[in-house]
Formats: sequence, structure tokens, C-alpha cells
Amino acid sequence: EDQVTQSPEALRLQEGESSSLNCSYTVSGLRGLFWYRQDPGKGPEFLFTLYSAGEEKEKERLKATLTKKESFLHITAPKPEDSATYLCAVQPFYGQNFVFGPGTRLSVLP
Amino acid sequence: DTEVTQTPKHLVMGMTNKKSLKCEQHMGHRAMYWYKQKAKKPPELMFVYSYEKLSINESVPSRFSPECPNSSLLNLHLHALQPEDSALYLCASSQGGIGNTIYFGEGSWLTVV
Repeated sequence: EDQVTQSPEALRLQEGESSSLNCSYTVSGLRGLFWYRQDPGKGPEFLFTLYSAGEEKEKERLKATLTKKESFLHITAPKPEDSATYLCAVQPFYGQNFVFGPGTRLSVLP
Repeated sequence: DTEVTQTPKHLVMGMTNKKSLKCEQHMGHRAMYWYKQKAKKPPELMFVYSYEKLSINESVPSRFSPECPNSSLLNLHLHALQPEDSALYLCASSQGGIGNTIYFGEGSWLTVV
């Protein structure tokens, strides 16, 4: 069975304190890995897609990386507005539905 | 801003009511989805239409009924719901069929009383 786990479950950072979120997966294939940001009461907002090990994507203070077994979302010098739940999802093969991880709730304190 | 539009944003309904959630996208995407999300949980797939062909998650109760009038519109008809059905209902779409990045709407908050 395809599974995606995320750690930590919750993370509290001071403003400016860099850290990383982890997404680990045990899946039958890896067509793509997707990161989303979700604010309370709103729909998930797409951040990145990664397709192959070694690939990296960046957007503002966020950088996503991918290995054969896991992905990291690095947050550099976070600000309070980065507080949200970060979800990762894996698509094992083209045409298959996404498998979502449980998410990491990030709080950045001023 | 998301280009997947959902209405209403909030809905309160009784267990004997019939109501519908609506979703629209104008990005030319050919797959549209309904997800259900409970608090502090990831989204769970309920239904997906790919090129207007329905795929069903067989664990979804029959009191939820999807409809795809055309490639831009998606409805979720609700009837005889239970309080445990209270959740955030998310519509989403992806370019082509199932297999590309999924873009979500803002969601419809449903409360069943």
C-alpha cells in the first residue's frame, strides 16, 4: 500500500530561525511529488512539483528537494506569514490519484 | 488567487435537507475532483471526473452524488447527510486528465445539524 508520512507533526520556530520539514514515502512508483501550503479554513495552495531524485525547486524562502525515499522543504529565515500547514502528496504513476501525507503545522513566532 | 471557484463558502443544512455545492474552473482543465477534509487531516478523495468520465471512491456514501454538466462545472449534491459529514469540501482541477498538478479551490464549509 502506498504511504506518505510527514515529520514533525507540528513545528514552532522563531522568526528568522531556519528549519526543514520532511516528507517520506513508501510507494509503488514515483511519477511526481507535490508540496502544498494550506492556511486555516482555506484550500491547499500549490507550491512545487518534483519529478526525480536530485531535483530542487525554490520560491522565496522555500526550497524543496527530492531523494529516492524522501523530500525536504527547507524554510530559510521564516516570517510569521509562513505559518501554515504544509502538505506533501505523491503520485505513484500517471493517471493515479494523489496520496497525501498528514501535513506539518508550522508556526513562526515574531 | 485560485482559479477554481466554489460556492457557497459556508452551508448549514439539516439532516433531511437537499443542497448542492458548486464548482467552476476556466483554465481548460479536463479533470475535476471533490475532496473532503476534516480538521487536522489531509484531503480525502471522494470523486474525480476525467474528460467528464466519473471515477468513484467506493467508500463514499450514496448520500453524496456528483454531477459534471460540462468540463468547466462540477456539482456535489447532498441529501440526508449526517452530522459526521460536517467538513471542508474542496473542489480541484488538473490540466489534461488525472496526472498533473492539482489546483484547489477555497473550499465550502459544510455543517450538518
